[in-house]
Amino acid sequence: SAVISQKPSRDICQRGTSLTIQCQVDSQVTMMFWYRQQPGQSLTLIATANQGSEATYESGFVIDKFPISRPNLTFSTLTVSNMSPEDSSIYLCSVTVGGAKNIQYFGAGTRLSVL
Amino acid sequence: DAKTTQPTSMDCAEGRAANLPCNHSTISGNEYVYWYRQIHSQGPQYIIHGLKNNETNEMASLIITEDRKSSTLILPHATLRDTAVYYCIVRVVLGQYGNKLVFGAGTILRVKS
Repeated sequence: SAVISQKPSRDICQRGTSLTIQCQVDSQVTMMFWYRQQPGQSLTLIATANQGSEATYESGFVIDKFPISRPNLTFSTLTVSNMSPEDSSIYLCSVTVGGAKNIQYFGAGTRLSVL
Repeated sequence: DAKTTQPTSMDCAEGRAANLPCNHSTISGNEYVYWYRQIHSQGPQYIIHGLKNNETNEMASLIITEDRKSSTLILPHATLRDTAVYYCIVRVVLGQYGNKLVFGAGTILRVKS
């Protein structure tokens, strides 16, 4: 398994500002994922981040709005830029622990409210 | 991406088996079925996954039909703590880079005493 720590766990931000969310994993992993969960909704994949390469964004998400860094095999950041109230969501980091099981584990998430 | 269809919600009596169905009629031969659950205000929790054989672990059993177009997650003795949203997901393979999970709407399971 994997232990995933996200910081901050929650934040309240003003519109027009940016917030960087950190994701730390207790073991080296190849693939990391960032998801968004809007209020009352399911999870939506934002992007896949591999170490040493550009993140791959899903349809509807762009790098200018959600820049991602992946400097090493245990850490990643997601920035929510120029925030608006519509960005109020839970943002979740996830990693795949490989081998035959290929199970994806999730952090507890960052609860973001934009005023 | 193969889509899944699940009932919006289900109720189950505490101590009874909870059987959660999932339809994935467009699944490809090499795609796995994964089940996760999300308890309120927590990140999704892995439950079980399978390809074509039935699987069982300490949490649940997964029954996959022979044609692989549907599956059922079974919680053998549901407790109040099993109240959660349950997601049936067909894993999307990304080639050499692994795979990703694309979530659908899920089933809200309410276990009642």
